[in-house]
Amino acid sequence: QVQLVQSGAEVKKPGASVKVSCQASGYTFTSYDINWVRQATGQGLEWMGWMNPNSGNTGYAQKFQGRVTMTRNTSISTAYMELSSLRSEDTAVYYCARRGLRYFDPFDYWGQGTLVTVSS
Amino acid sequence: DIQMTQSPSSLSASVGDRVTITCRASQRIASYLNWYQQKPGKAPELLVYAASSLQSGVPSRFSGSGSGTDFTLTISSLQPEDFATYYCQQSYNTQYTFGQGTRLEIK
Repeated sequence: QVQLVQSGAEVKKPGASVKVSCQASGYTFTSYDINWVRQATGQGLEWMGWMNPNSGNTGYAQKFQGRVTMTRNTSISTAYMELSSLRSEDTAVYYCARRGLRYFDPFDYWGQGTLVTVSS
Repeated sequence: DIQMTQSPSSLSASVGDRVTITCRASQRIASYLNWYQQKPGKAPELLVYAASSLQSGVPSRFSGSGSGTDFTLTISSLQPEDFATYYCQQSYNTQYTFGQGTRLEIK
């Protein structure tokens, strides 16, 4: 069965960076794009960007351009999302989600989420 | 960016009720509209894609309709497990955006 398993919760200080991982299983990792979506406590869903695990190509939401980097290690079927220059407003649960290779495909499987807390 | 506006923001209903949630896009998005359900402390789950296609395993009491700018998600007969928050999402372009969510509560 398809599974996306994310790394554990993180606590970071303002100005630091965080790197969250998302390990895929149950399907061919390079056949689906990985997207990242975050959700602050009690708030809605905010899309951050996508990555094609085969090519490494990425596309980021304008809000996060210059601060987010999405990468992958195909040998272990794992995608990564790194967010830098953290501020308190970045405190949120971060999700990875699988999407088909067509840009209009939906996010059909999601990871369990990783809580990132930014606090001094 | 394309703005997605859901209504209502919250809704109280009873088991067995028929419920409709609306999503409006700030520009025409054809049928590139998806619906997700999220329960507290859990990741979202895909319900409907391409405006009206039911994801595998989703009960048939859920249905989606619409195209252009106006879309609806309908639950024909609410079950206890349907009380959750629902989000629409446009996939018309790759600057994906979600609606603000509709919280469905038990009356």
